[in-house]
Amino acid sequence: AQSVAQPEDQVNVAEGNPLTVKCTYSVSGNPYLFWYVQYPNRGLQFLLKYITGDNLVKGSYGFEAEFNKSQTSFHLKKPSALVSDSALYFCAVSFLLRTGGFKTIFGAGTRLFVKA
Amino acid sequence: DAGVTQSPTHLIKTRGQQVTLRCSPKSGHDTVSWYQQALGQGPQFIFQYYEEEERQRGNFPDRFSGHQFPNYSSELNVNALLLGDSALYLCASSFDRDRGYEQYFGPGTRLTVT
Repeated sequence: AQSVAQPEDQVNVAEGNPLTVKCTYSVSGNPYLFWYVQYPNRGLQFLLKYITGDNLVKGSYGFEAEFNKSQTSFHLKKPSALVSDSALYFCAVSFLLRTGGFKTIFGAGTRLFVKA
Repeated sequence: DAGVTQSPTHLIKTRGQQVTLRCSPKSGHDTVSWYQQALGQGPQFIFQYYEEEERQRGNFPDRFSGHQFPNYSSELNVNALLLGDSALYLCASSFDRDRGYEQYFGPGTRLTVT
């Protein structure tokens, strides 16, 4: 069965330090991988995606993610965290359906706290 | 260009009642997906609509139904509400020919069932 795992419920980091939010997936075929961010009482905002090509993907707000096919991981990273990065982060996998269209599976989310 | 809009923002219903949530997709998008996000969890796929047809459905009972209109807007209906239906309901739109499957999410409707 397809699944997405975010092993950390919460990540704490000091402002200015690098951050990593982990994600692993189990999907057959070649999935499309995404990171979304959610602020309180808001919908999800797209950060970045991996489809094919370079394993290091750069996205919005200075975030980047590294795709590792052998480890089936797609970790989110940022070289220098900001207090304003504090939010809920979701890893997601989308895959094409035989019936047409696609389906997206989300991880449970990781709450990031950046301390000033 | 307006993004994805949802209405209402908040809703309080009683067990056994029925509710209708509405979504207008981003301009140019033709596909609408609905998700349920319970407190402390990630969004769970309910179903996806394209060309006014339900194209795929997640693991949700028949109490959850939907509709897509010719202008691509969509409704989510939930009958016989249960306490466990309390959640944030998210609508996401996308363009079918965009094989990148990038979705744009609305702000959600917070449903509370008492």
